[in-house]
Amino acid sequence: EVQLVESGGGLVQPGGSLRLSCAASGFTLSSYWVHWVRQPPGKGLVWVSRINPDGTYTTYADSVRGRFTISWDNAKNTLYLQMSILRDEDTAVYYCVRDLHGPFDYWGQGSLVTVSS
Amino acid sequence: QSALTQPASVSGSPGQSITISCTGTSNDVGGYNYASWYQQHPGKAPKLMIYDVSNRPSGVSYRFSGSKSGNTASLTISGLQAEDEADYYCISYTSSSTYVFGTGTKVTVL
Repeated sequence: EVQLVESGGGLVQPGGSLRLSCAASGFTLSSYWVHWVRQPPGKGLVWVSRINPDGTYTTYADSVRGRFTISWDNAKNTLYLQMSILRDEDTAVYYCVRDLHGPFDYWGQGSLVTVSS
Repeated sequence: QSALTQPASVSGSPGQSITISCTGTSNDVGGYNYASWYQQHPGKAPKLMIYDVSNRPSGVSYRFSGSKSGNTASLTISGLQAEDEADYYCISYTSSSTYVFGTGTKVTVL
């Protein structure tokens, strides 16, 4: 069974850093594109970033480029999102998502990141 | 990249059909046969309902269908049922090699 389980969320001060993890099971991360999508409380979905199957190509939304870094560890079959210089507007539930060569077919349950002093 | 434009809310009675629009530009919706649609119930992760404009994943009801004309993609729900009440989001690939979601539509079954 395909599963994605996020962890690492929590409360962080503005300007701080946090790393989210997404443990994948039931499939190999290195065979798929994977994405991070976020959803601010009470608001809509926002695409954040993606990484290709061999980890050599990444793209980012303008709002996070230069502050966030997506990566994965093949040995741990785990996706990461390193977030730095965090802002209030980065407060959101962060989902990791598998890309089935186009559609986003599996989503994690989400991890809440709260940026506040 | 601005969010794709969706109506904030759409409502219908059980058994009726409703259509949700998703309007972008030639740099996203109009330029690619990618548009997908997701259903999200409160407190839950989104669920894929339509992909590549009009394809339905296995397990999704035939009552859901998608189409596209120019820069606008559409999701139609026929035979509206109570369990269809949820938020719906479209998404498109863009010419910047990124993705953009729609603003979201709350569907209410009267």
